[in-house]
Amino acid sequence: AQSVTQPDIHITVSEGASLELRCNYSYGATPYLFWYVQSPGQGLQLLLKYFSGDTLVQGIKGFEAEFKRSQSSFNLRKPSVHWSDAAEYFCAVGAGGSTLGRLYFGRGTQLTVWP
Amino acid sequence: SAVISQKPSRDICQRGTSLTIQCQVDSQVTMMFWYRQQPGQSLTLIATANQGSEATYESGFVIDKFPISRPNLTFSTLTVSNMSPEDSSIYLCSADTQYFGPGTRLTVL
Repeated sequence: AQSVTQPDIHITVSEGASLELRCNYSYGATPYLFWYVQSPGQGLQLLLKYFSGDTLVQGIKGFEAEFKRSQSSFNLRKPSVHWSDAAEYFCAVGAGGSTLGRLYFGRGTQLTVWP
Repeated sequence: SAVISQKPSRDICQRGTSLTIQCQVDSQVTMMFWYRQQPGQSLTLIATANQGSEATYESGFVIDKFPISRPNLTFSTLTVSNMSPEDSSIYLCSADTQYFGPGTRLTVL
């Protein structure tokens, strides 16, 4: 069965510092992978997704993620964090080999940014 | 891309009552889903809304508690029936996997 692990519940970084949020997935076939951000009281915003091709994916707001099949990972990175990046981040994997199927979500990582 | 709207955006309801949440997509989509996000938790799939047929429910969710309709390719409703405080959550509509509505924040007293 598909599953997603986000090992870090809470991460704190200083503004301007680099960021890496970890995500590991369990899925037998080629996964479809997503990163979402959720600000307090808001819905989910898609940051980036991986379906196939180049394993380094660029997203919105300066985020990128790298798919590493050998490590079953899809870590999210940003070279310089802004205070407005403080939010909850969810990694998700698509199911059933379809780009239109349901998602399995990790438990989320709460990001705090110090000024 | 698809833009999804939900109504209501939030509601406070009494125990034992029911609430119907509407989900409208601005374009025809193949798949529609309903997720629940309990306070401080991740998202859990309630069901897949199938156009013209009964929804497909995940383990732990039943039709009597969460009846779902999908009359066409752009619209779906989720009803939370006979509510209890444990139903206090954010309910999110999703389309074609990657698109999400803003959510409906439900508080049951």
